[in-house]
Amino acid sequence: ETGVTQSPTHLIKTRGQQVTLRCSSQSGHNTVSWYQQALGQGPQFIFQYYREEENGRGNFPPRFSGLQFPNYSSELNVNALELDDSALYLCASSGELAGRGTQYFGPGTRLLVL
Amino acid sequence: QQQVKQSPQSLIVQKGGISIINCAYENTAFDYFPWYQQFPGKGPALLIAIRPDVSEKKEGRFTISFNKSAKQFSLHIMDSQPGDSATYFCAASGSGGNEKLTFGTGTRLTIIP
Repeated sequence: ETGVTQSPTHLIKTRGQQVTLRCSSQSGHNTVSWYQQALGQGPQFIFQYYREEENGRGNFPPRFSGLQFPNYSSELNVNALELDDSALYLCASSGELAGRGTQYFGPGTRLLVL
Repeated sequence: QQQVKQSPQSLIVQKGGISIINCAYENTAFDYFPWYQQFPGKGPALLIAIRPDVSEKKEGRFTISFNKSAKQFSLHIMDSQPGDSATYFCAASGSGGNEKLTFGTGTRLTIIP
């Protein structure tokens, strides 16, 4: 059984650019959640995808968008990057196999916006 | 508005001692309370979790104590070891559909010899 994987591990972008982050969920998990973790803070919920549909969204602007694919992998897209978007972006997978509420996190993608 | 408050922000404990981290929540719809451990440069790893139908759960050296009436829960690490040095996050989620996790602000734990 493979864990949650994310790519890339690190990324540097400039303000105004667009970025796509990728996540492969743990085997058998059909739900992917994305979180933003600023330095020294706890993760903040961005949104969740369940069977390719958005299933809840946190307090993030529309320039944060996502996709989930039939194999349950997922993408997080951020348009018009701002300096405050610099953070660790975490993907977590869950589903019936994981048990209700249980989420397993990937290692994250560290994004730096200059 | 922060819905899960965590304290202390940092904690230094001697090897072999007991580390205690506390959290308080406001939303009575929360019904799942996990603790995550995070090492630098890594994602959070699920450590132990509890549901409000029990007051305590123990797994090895880690124990969660849960007080539903006070809306508080805590993590106890017995016989703390240097390898336990990490940042710990409490979290909470409800059963309302997407079960998003609401995290506390984290506690940086350092175990000294």
